[in-house]
Order: sequence, then C-alpha cells, then structure tokens
Amino acid sequence: SAVISQKPSRDICQRGTSLTIQCQVDSQVTMMFWYRQQPGQSLTLIATANQGSEATYESGFVIDKFPISRPNLTFSTLTVSNMSPEDSSIYLCSVQGGRIGQETQYFGPGTRLLVL
Amino acid sequence: SQQGEEDPQALSIQEGENATMNCSYKTSINNLQWYRQNSGRGLVHLILIRSNEREKHSGRLRVTLDTSKKSSSLLITASRAADTASYFCAAGGGSNYKLTFGKGTLLTVNP
Repeated sequence: SAVISQKPSRDICQRGTSLTIQCQVDSQVTMMFWYRQQPGQSLTLIATANQGSEATYESGFVIDKFPISRPNLTFSTLTVSNMSPEDSSIYLCSVQGGRIGQETQYFGPGTRLLVL
Repeated sequence: SQQGEEDPQALSIQEGENATMNCSYKTSINNLQWYRQNSGRGLVHLILIRSNEREKHSGRLRVTLDTSKKSSSLLITASRAADTASYFCAAGGGSNYKLTFGKGTLLTVNP
C-alpha cells in the first residue's frame, strides 16, 4: 500500500497570492490525481498528472490557475494561483493502485486552504 | 459533471442499527466504488464492485449494484460510533482510471 503525505496540511492565505501544495508518495506510481473538495461538497477532479507529460485538466480547470508539476514518480505539486475566497477548499492528491487493484486510489490527508 | 448522487445526504442512527446509503450514476461504468472520509481528511477505499457483479460483501459492508437502474447501495450492518464519517460512491470507467464522485452521505452513529 502507498503512503501519501501532503504539505502544508492547512494554510490561510490572502487573496491574490499563490500557494503550492506538495504531494509525496513512498513508492513509484504512474498516475497521480489532484482533487478539490469545496466546503460541504464532494470531490471534483482537477487534473491527472503523469510523470514525463503535461497534466490533463478536467473541464472547468485551467493550467494558468492550477499549474501542476510531476518531476518524478514519487512527487507532484499543485499551485493555486491568484487565489480568491472561492478557492477555499480541501485539496487532495491521490495515486492509482489501491489495495484492491489499479482501479482504486490511495488518498493523501488533504490540504485545507482558507483564502481571506 | 458529477456522476453519482447519494441519498440520503445525512443519516443519523443508533449504535447497533444498520445504515443504508444509495448512489445513482448517469453513464456506463466499469466499476462502482465506495470511500469513507473522516472529518474532512483523506478518503479511504472501502469496497469495489465491478459492472458484471450484483452484490459484494466485505466484513460488515454489503454493496449492491443494479446497472439497469444505474444505482448502487452500501449497507453497513451493526454500526459503531467509529463508523461516523462521510461516505462517497465513485464511478470508475475507462482506461484512464479516473473516478467521478457522488455528493456523499454524512453518517452519524450515536453511542
């Protein structure tokens, strides 16, 4: 099973600034995913990040707002740029390949972001 | 757009009772998964049922899948206070392994 850590665990930021969230996995994985969970809501996939290629963004999410890096098979970052209060959410990374098989995902503990 | 729609949105029961949560989805799937989230933290995978399966058990969990109705249910038997959490269904399909999550059910189990 994969162990995933995220930094920071939480942050309070001012509008107009940017925050970079780190996701570290203890094993090499091909596919990593970034999700946003707005207050009281479900998870929405932001993008899929594969090592060695550009991230694939879902409808409604753009690279300028959420740039993603995937420099190797154990690490990824998500930047939330030019933040507004509407960006206040929990941001979660996950990796493919849960204990059942490739279809399931392991999740990090999340980064709780509050934008003032 | 969200695939899954869970109901109820919130469920409060007493310890020892059974809890049933339902999920509906919109398009074809390869599998349907259930995850649990404690207090806004990371999600934990509970159980996966494939599109060619109708029922699956894991410990106190029982999940059913009706592809003709595009719906699934999760039953937790003999609930415990530690089962208090949000439960999400997630539709899996295609070779890209993406999951589309439902809105979730907040389960509260009172001691």
